[in-house]
Amino acid sequence: QLVLTQSPSASASLGASVKLTCTLSSGHSSYAIAWHQQQPEKGPQYLMKLNSDGSHSKGDGIPDRFSGSSSGAERYLTISSLQSEDEADYYCQTWGTDIRVFGTGTKVTVL
Amino acid sequence: QVQLVQSGAEVKKPGASVKVSCKASGYTFTNYYIHWVRQAPGQGLEWMGIINPSGGSTSYAQKFQGRVTMTRDTSTRTVYMEMSSLRSEDTAVYYCARDRFGEPLDYWGQGTLVTVSS
Repeated sequence: QLVLTQSPSASASLGASVKLTCTLSSGHSSYAIAWHQQQPEKGPQYLMKLNSDGSHSKGDGIPDRFSGSSSGAERYLTISSLQSEDEADYYCQTWGTDIRVFGTGTKVTVL
Repeated sequence: QVQLVQSGAEVKKPGASVKVSCKASGYTFTNYYIHWVRQAPGQGLEWMGIINPSGGSTSYAQKFQGRVTMTRDTSTRTVYMEMSSLRSEDTAVYYCARDRFGEPLDYWGQGTLVTVSS
């Protein structure tokens, strides 16, 4: 079964970096994923597609502060130079034939 | 620019049906699938199903089979999601989003709040 696992929360200070993890279920370590950001009281926004080799392509207008990397079944989102507007929920998402799957989301708090 | 514009908020009684629309613009309508995703208050994102605007084929998450119907109107570039037998647990914001084969969801609608209350 295709499942994505995320930690519920993460925090870092203004101007620092934070690294979020999304883990693919057993047997699915080659899958690409996407990262989406959801700011408070807003809809989700696509950030990037992240492949198993760590290559990634970002959505329109996404700042360079957002980057992705991969290792085995883990997919990472790193936010550098944290800004107050980065305080949000971050969801990873993947896909198969006629199915789309979301992780449970990680709430990022900017201290 | 790509836009997915959804219909406005709805308030329904338990047992009723609701139909939410998603109007696409800024791209070739039939080149992208449309998905429906919902988010209950304080909860995460839940995928509901997919419609292929080119031909109208659909596939629904098992949880929603028999209760959700997705349709499209290519003349108006609009996709619809209808849910029947509403219950209080269906209170959520419903989003449409698009993708292509092998690619992630890359644009989202603004969301439609559906409230189910007696």
